[in-house]
Amino acid sequence: AQSVAQPEDQVNVAEGNPLTVKCTYSVSGNPYLFWYVQYPNRGLQFLLKYITGDNLVKGSYGFEAEFNKSQTSFHLKKPSALVSDSALYFCAVRRYTGGFKTIFGAGTRLFVKA
Amino acid sequence: DVKVTQSSRYLVKRTGEKVFLECVQDMDHENMFWYRQDPGLGLRLIYFSYDVKMKEKGDIPEGYSVSREKKERFSLILESASTNQTSMYLCASSHRLAGQQETQYFGPGTRLLVL
Repeated sequence: AQSVAQPEDQVNVAEGNPLTVKCTYSVSGNPYLFWYVQYPNRGLQFLLKYITGDNLVKGSYGFEAEFNKSQTSFHLKKPSALVSDSALYFCAVRRYTGGFKTIFGAGTRLFVKA
Repeated sequence: DVKVTQSSRYLVKRTGEKVFLECVQDMDHENMFWYRQDPGLGLRLIYFSYDVKMKEKGDIPEGYSVSREKKERFSLILESASTNQTSMYLCASSHRLAGQQETQYFGPGTRLLVL
């Protein structure tokens, strides 16, 4: 089955430290991978996507993600976390089943402590 | 900026009521989507539409229907609300020509409580 997994329900990190939010995928063919963020009381916002090319993708708010084909992973990273990064993060993959659909992971809640 | 608006942020309904959730986007997007968001389950696609008067079932369409009479508006209908439909409902839109690269733009969500 084509899917995306976020193995951590919650990630805690201190402000100023690097952060990683993990995502692995299972999809046939070339993967199209996305990260979205949901801040408290707000809708989901697009952060970044991997389509092809450079394995390191840069996105909004200083976030980046590394595509690793051999490990089928697309982890979200930031060199120095901010308290304002605290939010719910969703990894997503596009799949084709008679039409394109986006499959979302269960989400990872990031807490950044001052 | 793309703007997707949803008619209500919070809604309380009783079991058996017919519920309408409205979504409007202002970017002339062809594609529109309804998801429900539940803790630990992420977002699950209920229905989507690629054009006016077109609709396709998503992964969990049971108990729901949709209507797309105008390009900018996509309505989700709960024919007879049940307590297991208590959830956060998210509307999204995207540009059809984006294809595989499609980025979806989301509304703020409607938190529905069915008593």
